[in-house]
Amino acid sequence: QQQVKQSPQSLIVQKGGISIINCAYENTAFDYFPWYQQFPGKGPALLIAIRPDVSEKKEGRFTISFNKSAKQFSLHIMDSQPGDSATYFCAARGGSGGSYIPTFGRGTSLIVHP
Amino acid sequence: ETGVTQSPTHLIKTRGQQVTLRCSSQSGHNTVSWYQQALGQGPQFIFQYYREEENGRGNFPPRFSGLQFPNYSSELNVNALELDDSALYLCASSPGGVAGTGELFFGEGSRLTVL
Repeated sequence: QQQVKQSPQSLIVQKGGISIINCAYENTAFDYFPWYQQFPGKGPALLIAIRPDVSEKKEGRFTISFNKSAKQFSLHIMDSQPGDSATYFCAARGGSGGSYIPTFGRGTSLIVHP
Repeated sequence: ETGVTQSPTHLIKTRGQQVTLRCSSQSGHNTVSWYQQALGQGPQFIFQYYREEENGRGNFPPRFSGLQFPNYSSELNVNALELDDSALYLCASSPGGVAGTGELFFGEGSRLTVL
């Protein structure tokens, strides 16, 4: 049972372009929605996160858009750079009813061409 | 401030053997969770530990077990290894208990290959 569906599986963007990755979830009890960035041979690193009482959060070139009614959230990377080339995972964490267990999407491999 | 460290980084086992993976949490983090990441997949939650007790478990059989020590470090043990256990095993620590902030700080993982 895949509780968090992530798309696309892979994404190729030109330097300076906008990268957009989407996630959809099913469990309305999720209370925390982070995005992680993972480089080859490394563990995931928290990039940006949002809670369901906010519709958008921006940190530098990275923005999360959150649509609670549609149960969807997305990551926007503005002015994409070759150094952004990595795999990105969305996640959702269960609230008190879900023992605070996180569920990850399957990942999006982003390649930014110079 | 030292981050999350895991050992060993790579190991090879044969089917049926047992393996122990170790994790030192980031300073001040009292909750540790373990994940299995198969090639090309997202991390799958195995279990988490808080106050030396298992608190939450994913869809993994009992041959996956763990421990947390008083210094918050942790071990993941896998018995009767199967070929499908080949994966990157990630440890993450987080502050503030099970509910906490939700932020996970990952180590670089232990790459297990089962032959």
